Amino acid sequence: AQSVAQPEDQVNVAEGNPLTVKCTYSVSGNPYLFWYVQYPNRGLQFLLKYITGDNLVKGSYGFEAEFNKSQTSFHLKKPSALVSDSALYFCAVRDDTDKLIFGTGTRLQVFP
Amino acid sequence: ETGVTQTPRHLVMGMTNKKSLKCEQHLGHNAMYWYKQSAKKPLELMFVYSLEERVENNSVPSRFSPECPNSSHLFLHLHTLQPEDSALYLCASSQDRTVVNEKLFFGSGTQLSVL
Repeated sequence: AQSVAQPEDQVNVAEGNPLTVKCTYSVSGNPYLFWYVQYPNRGLQFLLKYITGDNLVKGSYGFEAEFNKSQTSFHLKKPSALVSDSALYFCAVRDDTDKLIFGTGTRLQVFP
Repeated sequence: ETGVTQTPRHLVMGMTNKKSLKCEQHLGHNAMYWYKQSAKKPLELMFVYSLEERVENNSVPSRFSPECPNSSHLFLHLHTLQPEDSALYLCASSQDRTVVNEKLFFGSGTQLSVL
């Protein structure tokens, strides 16, 4: 069965530093991978997706994600973190019944 | 705003109450979803509707009863809930659930507390 794992409950980073939020996946076929962000008191918002093509995917708000097939990873990255990036980040994979399977989420805290 | 509106934002209910959560999407989408979000757990997909027909029911207890009267509206009727049902309930919509690169649009959720 398809699944995603987000090994970190929380990631802390200083403003201006690069950030990485980790995600690994398990799929039986082609991986269709997504990142969503949830700001306080809001629903989830789509950030970016990998379907096929370039391993580096660019998304909203300066975020990007690197697809690594050999390591079955899809880590979210940003070169320079902002305090306003503080939020809950979810990795997701589409399964073979057209459902999105989400991870447990990683809370990103960016300190001034 | 995402174009998906949920009401109420907060709900406190006793275990013997009956209440309903409402979701409305203004995006012209054909699919609508209910998710349950609990702390430190993956988002749980509860129900999926496509063109007003229920296509997914993820072993959800019968105390949760969905209704989709048209493609723009989705309800979740609640009765005799348990304290462990306390969570954030999220509604989402998408244009076509069978498209592989389809993204979901979420509402802000209803924070439910069962006493």
